[in-house]
Amino acid sequence: GQQLNQSPQSMFIQEGEDVSMNCTSSSIFNTWLWYKQEPGEGPVLLIALYKAGELTSNGRLTAQFGITRKDSFLNISASIPSDVGIYFCAGPTPETSGSRLTFGEGTQLTVNP
Amino acid sequence: GAGVSQSPSNKVTEKGKDVELRCDPISGHTALYWYRQRLGQGLEFLIYFQGNSAPDKSGLPSDRFSAERTGESVSTLTIQRTQQEDSAVYLCASSLRAGGRVNNSPLHFGNGTRLTVT
Repeated sequence: GQQLNQSPQSMFIQEGEDVSMNCTSSSIFNTWLWYKQEPGEGPVLLIALYKAGELTSNGRLTAQFGITRKDSFLNISASIPSDVGIYFCAGPTPETSGSRLTFGEGTQLTVNP
Repeated sequence: GAGVSQSPSNKVTEKGKDVELRCDPISGHTALYWYRQRLGQGLEFLIYFQGNSAPDKSGLPSDRFSAERTGESVSTLTIQRTQQEDSAVYLCASSLRAGGRVNNSPLHFGNGTRLTVT
């Protein structure tokens, strides 16, 4: 089946630093999604990308849909303690006409105040 | 409430027992999904329901797993004869409909049921 590989697996940064994480696939995805999951909660959608090369921002978050359609990155600028959580990339599983999502294994972000 | 509600939030059970997990989706959402999240891993698709269509059960890992949904409301995920490898967080999500642009019909996740099989 489709697999999404995220890196790094975990990050430990100081408050105020910028963060970059990425997601790659061996297959083409037509949509890239970035979710954040906080402890004890379900994932929440942060950003959705629909076109190769698209760059989208949501506050301090910026995500890009790679030109090859096989990768995406998420940047967080000027990190704050509440950015702590697990960040997942996801995409609609192609063979299901997008009715379900394939998720990466996540990047665990820790922000030290 | 306005969100997806799951119960119980935590369940500890003995190996071999059956468990039933419940999901109350957002009212009006026709699509409902179950995912499993093992410790330190991503979400693994189990099953999804869309309106009155036959459910997509292709992610269920074994015949010990089953799920039902009554119309466009409550869903229950049943695991029979639980095994230790079933220990995980089981997440339910709902959306207005399946497919299409995610921004128009994003998945709303519940907080999950943490299942521990001893």
